[in-house]
Amino acid sequence: SAVISQKPSRDICQRGTSLTIQCQVDSQVTMMFWYRQQPGQSLTLIATANQGSEATYESGFVIDKFPISRPNLTFSTLTVSNMSPEDSSIYLCSVGAGTTSEQYFGPGTRLTVT
Amino acid sequence: ILNVEQSPQSLHVQEGDSTNFTCSFPSSNFYALHWYRWETAKSPEALFVMTLNGDEKKKGRISATLNTKEGYSYLYIKGSQPEDSATYLCAFRLPSGTYKYIFGTGTRLKVLA
Repeated sequence: SAVISQKPSRDICQRGTSLTIQCQVDSQVTMMFWYRQQPGQSLTLIATANQGSEATYESGFVIDKFPISRPNLTFSTLTVSNMSPEDSSIYLCSVGAGTTSEQYFGPGTRLTVT
Repeated sequence: ILNVEQSPQSLHVQEGDSTNFTCSFPSSNFYALHWYRWETAKSPEALFVMTLNGDEKKKGRISATLNTKEGYSYLYIKGSQPEDSATYLCAFRLPSGTYKYIFGTGTRLKVLA
């Protein structure tokens, strides 16, 4: 298993500002993932963060809005840029568990944009 | 568009009651179905990975079944306890080489003492 921590756990931000969320894993992993859960909606994959290459974004998500860094095999950041109230969500990072196909998740960052 | 639906959205049960929820998913190109338990302010916790039609898995008082032909999975909790209160998520893994999942919106369970 993998233990994942995220910072901050929650934040309240003003519209138009940006927030960077950090994700730290206790072991080296190839792929890290960023998800969003808007109120009343399902967890949705934003992007896959690969070490040494650019992140791969899902349909509906763009790098300018959600820039991602992956400087090493245990760490990643997601920035939510130029925030609007629609960005109010829980943001989670996760890692894959190899052959079992399970995913391990961080505890999430609860973001409220006013 | 692939859709994963969970029902009910939420429910309240009394301590000691047994309960069950449903996850419906596309019945074609099945690869795997995952169940997670997500308590507030904690990480979603993996409960089961189900891959074969007819699978039945059990973990303590929680069990799950899988019907890939008709596209549904049931999660059962026997003798619910207050600590079972959480949101239960199912996730349909897409049949590709990468970790792509379609999540349901979850069933929010509240067990009343």
